[in-house]
Amino acid sequence: EVQLVESGGGLVQPGRSLRLSCTASGFTFGDYIMSWFRQAPGKGLEWVSFIRSKAYGGTTEYGASVKGRFIISRDDSKSIAYLQMNSLRTEDTAIYYCVRHRGLAPDYWGQGTLVTVSS
Amino acid sequence: DIVMTQTPLSLSVTPGQPASISCKSSQSLLHSDGKTYLYWYLQRPGQSPQLLIYEVSSRFSGVPHGFSGSGSGTDFTLKISRVEAEDVGVYYCMQGVHLPVTFGQGTRLEIK
Repeated sequence: EVQLVESGGGLVQPGRSLRLSCTASGFTFGDYIMSWFRQAPGKGLEWVSFIRSKAYGGTTEYGASVKGRFIISRDDSKSIAYLQMNSLRTEDTAIYYCVRHRGLAPDYWGQGTLVTVSS
Repeated sequence: DIVMTQTPLSLSVTPGQPASISCKSSQSLLHSDGKTYLYWYLQRPGQSPQLLIYEVSSRFSGVPHGFSGSGSGTDFTLKISRVEAEDVGVYYCMQGVHLPVTFGQGTRLEIK
């Protein structure tokens, strides 16, 4: 059974940093693209970032609103994906979801971790 | 960025009746590899999104046959043949052919 468990969320002040983790199980983690999506309270879904598998260079992509502030990475030996979030803004407040891709299709989503950016 | 426009934004359906949601994209979602990267998700209240349909019309594992997707190019439709109570939630279309990945605004389905 595919499982994705996010952790690391919480309350943080504007301008500070936070690192989210996504621990995966039930599949060969290193073979898959992994993404982060987010959902602000009461709002729709927004793609944040993804990282390709090592077979495709492990390269990364970012949404415009987080580019230059967030960094996605992966540790295939531990089956963990990370999202390092720097220079946080109040508008980054959201539930952050870790998502696996089957090919290009985001198929399994974790339950999410809430990040609140507030002074 | 590709803009995804869903209609209607809300839907109230009697159990056992069909439902249909439209999704239109501002650009064609047909990739040079011949595939069309249009997906449908359901987010039930208090839950994370779950994949229903990928590449326009393929049902994801475990998705009931009552859900079907169709369309091409820029116009797509999700149909539910007979709505049940467990179908309540917000439905999103999503395109994955061009970065950034973008979603429709969501369509809230409720039971009458």
